Amino acid sequence: DAGVTQSPTHLIKTRGQQVTLRCSPKSGHDTVSWYQQALGQGPQFIFQYYEEEERQRGNFPDRFSGHQFPNYSSELNVNALLLGDSALYLCASRFLHGYTFGSGTRLTVV
Amino acid sequence: QQQVKQSPQSLIVQKGGISIINCAYENTAFDYFPWYQQFPGKGPALLIAIRPDVSEKKEGRFTISFNKSAKQFSLHIMDSQPGDSATYFCAASKGSSNTGKLIFGQGTTLQVKP
Repeated sequence: DAGVTQSPTHLIKTRGQQVTLRCSPKSGHDTVSWYQQALGQGPQFIFQYYEEEERQRGNFPDRFSGHQFPNYSSELNVNALLLGDSALYLCASRFLHGYTFGSGTRLTVV
Repeated sequence: QQQVKQSPQSLIVQKGGISIINCAYENTAFDYFPWYQQFPGKGPALLIAIRPDVSEKKEGRFTISFNKSAKQFSLHIMDSQPGDSATYFCAASKGSSNTGKLIFGQGTTLQVKP
């Protein structure tokens, strides 16, 4: 049984560009959340998707947007990248309680 | 009210010793308190979790102690091993069903010396 799969694992982008990160949840999980983890910090909640709708959102600007597909996979899009967006982006899938995290996408903005 | 404060920031323990990490929260609506372990280059992995209706939960060498009145909870790692060296995060969430974002503490870097 595959866990949460994220792609790509590493990414380098230039300031002002746009990026799309992808997540496939654990089998049987229908809720996907995205988190941003800056170096040396705890993960910060970005938003959560369930039934293809954004259900909750953290304190992130509208440059961060997402989507959930009918197969429960999800994308995180970030527009107009800033240097401060450099972080590990984590996807977590959930069924009832108990989040399973992927290994993340390391985004570096230069 | 959304914060979860974690201490210490770093911890060094001898092999076989007890590692203790503490967390405090403000929002009394939180009803789920997990601990995560994270190794470099990996995502957080759920270790153990507790709900506020119990004061202690033990799984192997890992124990959560929960003090509802003080709004504090702690992770105890008994017989600490070098393989336990990692970053540990406490977290809290509220809500049932498929809602409930996790609010994480700042993390504790544990080093277990052989």
